[in-house]
Amino acid sequence: AQSVTQLGSHVSVSEGALVLLRCNYSSSVPPYLFWYVQYPNQGLQLLLKYTSAATLVKGINGFEAEFKKSETSFHLTKPSAHMSDAAEYFCAVSDRASNFGNEKLTFGTGTRLTIIP
Amino acid sequence: EAQVTQNPRYLITVTGKKLTVTCSQNMNHEYMSWYRQDPGLGLRQIYYSMNVEVTDKGDVPEGYKVSRKEKRNFPLILESPSPNQTSLYFCASSLPRTGSPLHFGNGTRLTVT
Repeated sequence: AQSVTQLGSHVSVSEGALVLLRCNYSSSVPPYLFWYVQYPNQGLQLLLKYTSAATLVKGINGFEAEFKKSETSFHLTKPSAHMSDAAEYFCAVSDRASNFGNEKLTFGTGTRLTIIP
Repeated sequence: EAQVTQNPRYLITVTGKKLTVTCSQNMNHEYMSWYRQDPGLGLRQIYYSMNVEVTDKGDVPEGYKVSRKEKRNFPLILESPSPNQTSLYFCASSLPRTGSPLHFGNGTRLTVT
């Protein structure tokens, strides 16, 4: 069964600093990979996704992630943190062998990002 | 506006009292799913539905029921809630296409005493 690991349940960065949130997956076949963001008292919304095209994926709000097959990683980055980026971030992986992916979507345990003024 | 609507947002109940959390989407999505979110555990799938009258168990289905009689609605039923079902619940929907993003509701915070 596939799994996803997010290193660091809490990450704090200063405003303007680089944001790096780590995600590693376990899958023998490159899966579909997603990053979702959850703002307080809201549901999750999609930040970006990797399906099979370019390995560097750009998302909303200046975030991007790079798929590295050799490292089985899909880390999320943003060059300059903004106060509005404070939220919880979830990495998710789905199996290409499933019907279309979402019924076998596995979420990581989340990383709470705090921005220090 | 495209959205997934869950009701209620907050619910406090007592052990054993049947309850239903409703979920409705207006995007004509075939796929719908329920998750529970617990601290340190992330989101875990309870049940999902590929289409009307087609449902299947997720990773943590014990103590829950679902039904999919209409495409837009996917209620979650707790016939005899217990305190270990205290959690934050999310409904989500998507198109039945590879890599389609999930659209989430705003969540239902359930407390069972």
